[in-house]
Amino acid sequence: DTEVTQTPKHLVMGMTNKKSLKCEQHMGHRAMYWYKQKAKKPPELMFVYSYEKLSINESVPSRFSPECPNSSLLNLHLHALQPEDSALYLCASSPPPGQGAGELFFGEGSRLTVL
Amino acid sequence: AQRVTQPEKLLSVFKGAPVELKCNYSYSGSPELFWYVQYSRQRLQLLLRHISRESIKGFTADLNKGETSFHLKKPFAQEEDSAMYYCAFGNNAGNMLTFGGGTRLMVKP
Repeated sequence: DTEVTQTPKHLVMGMTNKKSLKCEQHMGHRAMYWYKQKAKKPPELMFVYSYEKLSINESVPSRFSPECPNSSLLNLHLHALQPEDSALYLCASSPPPGQGAGELFFGEGSRLTVL
Repeated sequence: AQRVTQPEKLLSVFKGAPVELKCNYSYSGSPELFWYVQYSRQRLQLLLRHISRESIKGFTADLNKGETSFHLKKPFAQEEDSAMYYCAFGNNAGNMLTFGGGTRLMVKP
């Protein structure tokens, strides 16, 4: 299995809802990432997990809460989002440093719409 | 802070014409630079990285430290090259990427 799988592909939620995005990979990668991509813009890094520990938080609002339950799974918990949070959320994973450095494997994304 | 700039949002060429997608970076040290590509309805994927000095699908990119550039080139464009291309700067052993704004390449028949 050489893919990063994201679910759901599409999510519509209200501003008071709580929902989660899920990401899974079985390539043995120990770094996993969340990126946010607005329309016609490049992906922007949100969080980095390295060996299941949060190593980077790019000043993301607390209404986004990441979780890495194990080395294969990455979640993004969403609560009290705003309409401007509507975007494509991309998950990625990568081999450890020294093994294919710089090659991030991306999922297809979860397209989130906040009403 | 490091920054990656792609000055062209859209580049349109005819099939068989040479292609050059521009990428400039600002960083005082030795950068790790990459080109990622996203074809229509496909996921973002690595095209090539500067440390490999490889040619992928006919594309090459040379790091020019004097001009702080990492332009992507192909001598003869094909229609299947039409896609969104992102230049990316790598931190932390190259695994934390900062993307440029992207250039959409359209290759016309």
